[in-house]
Amino acid sequence: KQEVTQIPAALSVPEGENLVLNCSFTDSAIYNLQWFRQDPGKGLTSLLLIQSSQREQTSGRLNASLDKSSGRSTLYIAASQPGDSATYLCAVLNAGGTSYGKLTFGQGTILTVHP
Amino acid sequence: DGGITQSPKYLFRKEGQNVTLSCEQNLNHDAMYWYRQDPGQGLRLIYYSQIVNDFQKGDIAEGYSVSREKKESFPLTVTSAQKNPTAFYLCASSIIGGRSETQYFGPGTRLLVL
Repeated sequence: KQEVTQIPAALSVPEGENLVLNCSFTDSAIYNLQWFRQDPGKGLTSLLLIQSSQREQTSGRLNASLDKSSGRSTLYIAASQPGDSATYLCAVLNAGGTSYGKLTFGQGTILTVHP
Repeated sequence: DGGITQSPKYLFRKEGQNVTLSCEQNLNHDAMYWYRQDPGQGLRLIYYSQIVNDFQKGDIAEGYSVSREKKESFPLTVTSAQKNPTAFYLCASSIIGGRSETQYFGPGTRLLVL
């Protein structure tokens, strides 16, 4: 069964710092890996999607990488801002096993960027 | 505006009561999903549907029921059999298939037990 783990569980940084969030998964049979943002009490917003054949995706100050063979992904946030404060969730779209065609989520990293 | 709506935003359940959470989408997506989110945990799949009048159990379906009579609507009923219903419930929708498939989420419903 696919398991997704995110490290760290929480992170607090001063404004302007570059930071990295980590995601690992146990089964490499995936179609894609996605990073979502969730503000307190709200739904999820998709940030970046990396297909299994790709190595990275970029959007503005965000860069996500994928190493499928090692089961790892990182989300890099450059020049962090207080508005980046949120929970960041990683999820994989499974291509095999009992979770075929379904998303498996990590537990999230709570990011706080203080002025 | 295209999107997913959930109602109500907050819902209170009394002991032994069934309650229904609404989810509507106007994105013309075939697939719809219900997730449960507990503090400090990721989302867990309750039920999903890929076509009208058909749905499948997810990882934690016990104590829940759904229907899919219309493409746009996928209501979730939390029955009295669900002994620990307090959680944040999220509905999502997507197109089916393809390596670029992503899900679009509603704003969520927070269910509390009185």
